[in-house]
Amino acid sequence: RKEVEQDPGPFNVPEGATVAFNCTYSNSASQSFFWYRQDCRKEPKLLMSVYSSGNEDGRFTAQLNRASQYISLLIRDSKLSDSATYLCVVPHEKNTGFQKLVFGTGTRLLVSP
Amino acid sequence: NAGVTQTPKFRVLKTGQSMTLLCAQDMNHEYMYWYRQDPGMGLRLIHYSVGEGTTAKGEVPDGYNVSRLKKQNFLLGLESAAPSQTSVYFCASSYLQGWSYEQYFGPGTRLTVT
Repeated sequence: RKEVEQDPGPFNVPEGATVAFNCTYSNSASQSFFWYRQDCRKEPKLLMSVYSSGNEDGRFTAQLNRASQYISLLIRDSKLSDSATYLCVVPHEKNTGFQKLVFGTGTRLLVSP
Repeated sequence: NAGVTQTPKFRVLKTGQSMTLLCAQDMNHEYMYWYRQDPGMGLRLIHYSVGEGTTAKGEVPDGYNVSRLKKQNFLLGLESAAPSQTSVYFCASSYLQGWSYEQYFGPGTRLTVT
């Protein structure tokens, strides 16, 4: 099983729609998780952090299911500007104590007028 | 604040040539990282640094070397470029490393090796 798995999409939705992406992870010891957003040919930027059961920021809600080892990102009232690739990121602690970030391959979202 | 900057933005190399990618950050961050991003694969860590004068190998270090002589700069070197090193390279930095510390990324360097 890959450390972090995401559906690559693309998810094509109209403006105003609600869309959700899932991400599964293999390391049951992971304590926190991140969603990064990456626009086409740009660098990734942090969208949300998820520490406990979930987090909400405006139209964006991230939820965590530790038992099933997945996190989800829900976007309500989609805007054209939400079109991007969403990267699921899971910290993984190495035996040296260093915590590397493991990035998923991303889920592409296309919001159309 | 410029954040994290990278030079060059684009480069085309012939097999066997060498080059250095420069990353600079003005946020006084301790930790710096070099990643590569390839189609169908997540970002992969090449090397990282936990402070000035220290470097360590990441997941895919072969063919690359790094140096962190100054806290604000992290250099990635390719001694003898190969076509397999064609990729987009991102530098990132963070204040510390741990569950809650965000990594800030530079704009990337698109490298093609022919």
